[in-house]
Amino acid sequence: EPEVTQTPSHQVTQMGQEVILRCVPISNHLYFYWYRQILGQKVEFLVSFYNNEISEKSEIFDDQFSVERPDGSNFTLKIRSTKLEDSAMYFCASSEHGVFGDTQYFGPGTRLTVL
Amino acid sequence: DQQVKQNSPSLSVQEGRISILNCDYTNSMFDYFLWYKKYPAEGPTFLISISSIKDKNEDGRFTVFLNKSAKHLSLHIVPSQPGDSAVYFCAARLAYQGAQKLVFGQGTRLTINP
Repeated sequence: EPEVTQTPSHQVTQMGQEVILRCVPISNHLYFYWYRQILGQKVEFLVSFYNNEISEKSEIFDDQFSVERPDGSNFTLKIRSTKLEDSAMYFCASSEHGVFGDTQYFGPGTRLTVL
Repeated sequence: DQQVKQNSPSLSVQEGRISILNCDYTNSMFDYFLWYKKYPAEGPTFLISISSIKDKNEDGRFTVFLNKSAKHLSLHIVPSQPGDSAVYFCAARLAYQGAQKLVFGQGTRLTINP
């Protein structure tokens, strides 16, 4: 069964450093998403991406964040200058067509620890 | 952001019995609801969904009920099995053009006891 994959599973970084989290969405899916879950809190939407453009983003997704589809398979989330409060599980998701009734399928997550 | 709430942080059910997980929402603009299951160190796994034009959707042991007037949905698992022990999230999506984001509840940890 096709699945969303993410690398690395765990990333430790120093505050102020840049990190790139990588995702390979399901191959025939056209919409891609990033969510995060801070320990003990809800899963929160960050951004959705379609046709090489951001289609929706939350207030959390400020200028320190960016997303990119550098090639035909990868989807990345870059955090330019990490802060302590960026420590969280980051989940990538993908869906087939993004319209009503579409289901988002999630990857296993990357645990980001900012020291 | 309390638009989607799961008021029970945990639930313990005996194997073979019915598990009922509840979810309330406040935004009447939500029109599509999903349930996800999550094991530790894994991502959320899609279970079942329901659109706002229905009041029930069934898939094997899983049934989701939607009460729009009460802004309430529930997930029924019957019979419950040990492998169902996980955290269950309900999520909702807004009904406007281009909306894709899911709004999640806090999750309910379900434990199935043998």
